[in-house]
Amino acid sequence: AQSVTQLGSHVSVSEGALVLLRCNYSSSVPPYLFWYVQYPNQGLQLLLKYTTGATLVKGINGFEAEFKKSETSFHLTKPSAHMSDAAEYFCAVREDTGRRALTFGSGTRLQVQP
Amino acid sequence: NAGVTQTPKFQVLKTGQSMTLQCAQDMNHNSMYWYRQDPGMGLRLIYYSASEGTTDKGEVPNGYNVSRLNKREFSLRLESAAPSQTSVYFCASRGDGGSIYEQYFGPGTRLTVT
Repeated sequence: AQSVTQLGSHVSVSEGALVLLRCNYSSSVPPYLFWYVQYPNQGLQLLLKYTTGATLVKGINGFEAEFKKSETSFHLTKPSAHMSDAAEYFCAVREDTGRRALTFGSGTRLQVQP
Repeated sequence: NAGVTQTPKFQVLKTGQSMTLQCAQDMNHNSMYWYRQDPGMGLRLIYYSASEGTTDKGEVPNGYNVSRLNKREFSLRLESAAPSQTSVYFCASRGDGGSIYEQYFGPGTRLTVT
């Protein structure tokens, strides 16, 4: 069975600083990996996904993530944080079953300080 | 194109009351999902439906029933609500073909059981 671990339930950065949100996964097959963002009182929006091919994946709002098989990681980064990036971020891995449901990490709340 | 819609947005129930959460999608997707979100636990799968008339239990199905009467709609029913069912409920759908990897989420229903 797949699983996802997000290190750090809360991360605080200054505006303009690098954002790094950590995600490690466990999967017995090549994984399909996702990052979702949730703004307060809203649903989940897909930031980016890794399926196959290029290991550096670019998403919306300037975010990117790198799939590292040797480290079983899929960390999310953004070079320069903006106040509007304050939200909760979820890493997820797709199940290797016919239903293809997502297994989510516990989430990381990003706070951006002015 | 509204995507995935959910009603109601908020609900307060007393223990033992019943209610149905409604979900509809207009993207002609076959697969639909119900997740619940609890603090520090990410999202967990309650039920899945691959197509009209078919459903499958997820990770946390106890206390819930679902109904997929047509391709658009997937409802979640709480027959006798318990405080442990206080949560935020998300419906999601997934397409086939080119959009096979992505799940699209509704805005959520925030349920409190007292």
